[in-house]
Amino acid sequence: GEEVAQTPKHLVRGEGQKAKLYCAPIKGHSYVFWYQQVLKNEFKFLISFQNENVFDETGMPKERFSAKCLPNSPCSLEIQATKLEDSAVYFCASSQSLQGLNEQYFGPGTRLTVT
Amino acid sequence: AQTVTQSQPEMSVQEAETVTLSCTYDTSESDYYLFWYKQPPSRQMILVIRQEAYKQQNATENRFSVNFQKAAKSFSLKISDSQLGDAAMYFCACIVQMNYGGSQGNLIFGKGTKLSVKP
Repeated sequence: GEEVAQTPKHLVRGEGQKAKLYCAPIKGHSYVFWYQQVLKNEFKFLISFQNENVFDETGMPKERFSAKCLPNSPCSLEIQATKLEDSAVYFCASSQSLQGLNEQYFGPGTRLTVT
Repeated sequence: AQTVTQSQPEMSVQEAETVTLSCTYDTSESDYYLFWYKQPPSRQMILVIRQEAYKQQNATENRFSVNFQKAAKSFSLKISDSQLGDAAMYFCACIVQMNYGGSQGNLIFGKGTKLSVKP
């Protein structure tokens, strides 16, 4: 497809529950990025993939966050035992390469609310 | 570590007027790309304009232009003939190319500037 798709649009979880978010990158794009935008609008980079391989996971809170990009499946970001501070909009972006010349196309985001 | 700073949390402009949004950045690398993204209330991220650090000429896209001052590490966005549809959050961002020729590839964002347009 020509757009990055993210599901669901909204997700509400009680504290301690699991949350799983999905992202379908643009066909032909080799790189997928996950960003977290907290309610103060600040963006935080979480993780990037080159095809199905983790490229950079320096932003991931490793205890509770995990992510995968498997062949022929949407990429996923999973949060085990959600906390109130995980409430945010999670954006997925895809691009053809890591070079700044290639635009990162953003999905519409998934708003996660932890109650 | 690379940082991007937007010192104006909010700005306001009259319709049809011109407004400039400020951005400064810090990196020790010589090769990088700078971006301005627009985020309307729908939250969709829209690329407004891009500047390659090695290009001296300031990028322009219709009513949007940048003032890129490499020595000062400044990258401001000018919006001319402001329209009601320009009201949004604007984020300055950077992708750094590392010395070994590679890139982490992830965008480093500033905290954003909320732009209001008055009719």
